[in-house]
Amino acid sequence: GEDVEQSLFLSVREGDSSVINCTYTDSSSTYLYWYKQEPGAGLQLLTYIFSNMDMKQDQRLTVLLNKKDKHLSLRIADTQTGDSAIYFCAESPNTPLVFGKGTRLSVIA
Amino acid sequence: ETGVTQTPRHLVMGMTNKKSLKCEQHLGHNAMYWYKQSAKKPLELMFVYSLEERVENNSVPSRFSPECPNSSHLFLHLHTLQPEDSALYLCASSQEVSGSSYNSPLHFGNGTRLTVT
Repeated sequence: GEDVEQSLFLSVREGDSSVINCTYTDSSSTYLYWYKQEPGAGLQLLTYIFSNMDMKQDQRLTVLLNKKDKHLSLRIADTQTGDSAIYFCAESPNTPLVFGKGTRLSVIA
Repeated sequence: ETGVTQTPRHLVMGMTNKKSLKCEQHLGHNAMYWYKQSAKKPLELMFVYSLEERVENNSVPSRFSPECPNSSHLFLHLHTLQPEDSALYLCASSQEVSGSSYNSPLHFGNGTRLTVT
């Protein structure tokens, strides 16, 4: 079956880089996604990567995909206090998106 | 105005009440979804309306009843709920291409925080 695993918590200092990791199970996923959820809000699409790519960079965000190991990571450079949120990884097998439990990122000033 | 609007933002209801959650999307999408978000659990897909097909998670109790009168509006009708149904209910939409099987990103509303007393 489909399953997406993430560590639940990450704490970093302001200005450092954050790396959030995710593993998924369905190799047929065409796209893999990162969403951000701030308190009291829904999930906001941050970025996504097509399954035939290894890396995608978008300003402070870098997504790395290791398709062989089914491992996805999100790197946030120069992490700011406004980056504090829950980050969800999601895969897209031939069903609606399957989400992980989310990683709560805490940024220490 | 956000692309996906949910009302109300907060709802408190007793176990014998009947209420409805409303979702409207202004993105021109052709698929809409209900998800349930409970503490310490993965997001749970409840219902999907996509390209005139309805897909449901068979584990969702019958006390939750969806309605999708057109591609822009989605409702979740609630009756005789239980305290364990208290959660954040999220609506989402996407633009699906026939034959591509859910490859499009979802756009979420801000959710309705439901408390069942």
